[in-house]
Amino acid sequence: QSVLTQPPSASGTPGQRVTISCSGSSSNIGKNTVHWYQQLPGTAPKLLIYTNTQRPSGVPDRFSGSKSGTSASLAISGLQSEDEADYFCATWDDSLTAVVFGGGTKLTVL
Amino acid sequence: QVQLDQWGAGLLKPSETLSLTCAVSGVSFTGYYWAWIRQPPGKGLEWIGEINHSGYTNYNPSLTSRVTISLDTSKNHFSLNLDSVTAADTALYFCARGHGRFQFWGQGSLVTVSS
Repeated sequence: QSVLTQPPSASGTPGQRVTISCSGSSSNIGKNTVHWYQQLPGTAPKLLIYTNTQRPSGVPDRFSGSKSGTSASLAISGLQSEDEADYFCATWDDSLTAVVFGGGTKLTVL
Repeated sequence: QVQLDQWGAGLLKPSETLSLTCAVSGVSFTGYYWAWIRQPPGKGLEWIGEINHSGYTNYNPSLTSRVTISLDTSKNHFSLNLDSVTAADTALYFCARGHGRFQFWGQGSLVTVSS
């Protein structure tokens, strides 16, 4: 069981907007910033969103992040076929003194 | 540019020690945390632990009794040792720079534990 809870799957059609949630607690998301990763099969994860809402250089503005209380969300607008991937959230947990990941969400573009 | 290149034994027997090394180029160790993360086949990401430039470490509580992460600044690399492996340690292992925010990653090393 992951410390951060994500839906195992999500889907959308091209052009749609999809959101993926990440639920935690007061010891992790409630106190620390959240980061999001995109992982294509067989490759290393790619940093997609950092510090709740920031995009690294090169990440399209179709990807956006938000955080409220002990939950965070990743939104993908204008869905494209190449967005089909696994998405993970991550943050620091003060109680565990460890980085914790969500279980991952597999996004399917229909 | 920042590059992380990792290597190590890919096939281990139960009870052996997993050893992986990650060579860092394009950046100094100073000011950053350097981490190991793994991913069992078909599953999610699991943080193993981290080390900073001063040698300060944090480990996943579920692995702390078996894990050692070390740093060799003279060779610009850091290493992972995981003792007494079992089949449950079979995974794709990644090195990365960061403390939750992992901006740079190694290419991954598949480690299989089988008798």
